[in-house]
Amino acid sequence: AQTVTQSQPEMSVQEAETVTLSCTYDTSENNYYLFWYKQPPSRQMILVIRQEAYKQQNATENRFSVNFQKAAKSFSLKISDSQLGDTAMYFCAFMNKGGSEKLVFGKGTKLTVNP
Amino acid sequence: ETGVTQSPTHLIKTRGQQVTLRCSSQSGHNTVSWYQQALGQGPQFIFQYYREEENGRGNFPPRFSGLQFPNYSSELNVNALELDDSALYLCASSLVRGSYEQYFGPGTRLTVT
Repeated sequence: AQTVTQSQPEMSVQEAETVTLSCTYDTSENNYYLFWYKQPPSRQMILVIRQEAYKQQNATENRFSVNFQKAAKSFSLKISDSQLGDTAMYFCAFMNKGGSEKLVFGKGTKLTVNP
Repeated sequence: ETGVTQSPTHLIKTRGQQVTLRCSSQSGHNTVSWYQQALGQGPQFIFQYYREEENGRGNFPPRFSGLQFPNYSSELNVNALELDDSALYLCASSLVRGSYEQYFGPGTRLTVT
């Protein structure tokens, strides 16, 4: 069974600074996806960024980028130029390719961006 | 806005009762998944429906059941409610299988007393 571990329950960062959220996962599969989701107080889960395991190049989406280390089973999220609207819970998630497309989530990291 | 809606927003039920939660996906989204998110936890996969058939189930008892309808709506039914069923219930839909991108609704907060 796959597991996802987020070791930082809470983090804070000053506006305009950079912050990195950590995630490790465990799987015996070779073909999978990794995701970072954002859940603001409004509760709606929003996809931030996605990485396909077979792609060596790290995914980027504007101010968001990942550091994907497949051998180490590590998938961290870097947020640059943090904004107040980035305040939210961030969940790392894993999905096997093929079969039922279920997401396996970590417990989340609560990120607070301070003015 | 993901185009996925859920109803009701909040619900309070008594232990032993039954509840039905509803989800409306975007047109054309033929895959819907349901997740349970307990307070302070990440979501846990309950089950998935693809073209109205169950297509994968997590570690949840049979009293959790679902339906998916041709109009891209779906239901989660929970019988014999227990206190531990108190959680946020999220549905997520996908345009096609293999797209691997799920669009989440805002969730239904269920409280069992």
